[in-house]
Amino acid sequence: GAVVSQHPSWVICKSGTSVKIECRSLDFQATTMFWYRQFPKQSLMLMATSNEGSKATYEQGVEKDKFLINHASLTLSTLTVTSAHPEDSSFYICSARSIMGLAKNIQYFGAGTRLSVL
Amino acid sequence: RKEVEQDPGPFNVPEGATVAFNCTYSNSASQSFFWYRQDCRKEPKLLMSVYSSGNEDGRFTAQLNRASQYISLLIRDSKLSDSATYLCVVRVETGANNLFFGTGTRLTVIP
Repeated sequence: GAVVSQHPSWVICKSGTSVKIECRSLDFQATTMFWYRQFPKQSLMLMATSNEGSKATYEQGVEKDKFLINHASLTLSTLTVTSAHPEDSSFYICSARSIMGLAKNIQYFGAGTRLSVL
Repeated sequence: RKEVEQDPGPFNVPEGATVAFNCTYSNSASQSFFWYRQDCRKEPKLLMSVYSSGNEDGRFTAQLNRASQYISLLIRDSKLSDSATYLCVVRVETGANNLFFGTGTRLTVIP
């Protein structure tokens, strides 16, 4: 079945470091990918919607200059947390929606990236 | 008001028990409904879609009441492996069609 690969799965970094997270759809094309953040014991919160070949759409309260999103191809979107601080520590999950076939419009999730900023 | 509200639990039930989770959503324009399962420190995985007529998948039964904007999940004959957080998820078919997640209901099945 469709698989979304997210890398890295775990990052520990110093405050001020920039961290890049990759999200790939492995066997399907995704014009739209989504980036979520989940704090402990809370639900997933949508941060931004990433559209292939165009600028991402950010949710209210999410700083676009801090969370840089690039969706250069139909199978790859990246999220860069710039100058990360301890309050950015969270579980980041990407999701991709298939655009064709039996899996059309089903949203698949990556395994998530646990970011710990010291 | 949250888009999706769930009873957070936790629900601690013995093996073999039947347990039900409830969920309400606020946007009457919601079109698609799902239950996802999330294990600790893992990504959510689709458990089942929820259809207006109600649907069953093995030990799992989902119900949707559009008039009350209410969704339920029933798990029969609980197994230890059912222990997880169950997320009620709603998609509003506007814009990018993104999903709205409930906070999840935590289930622990006890031997």
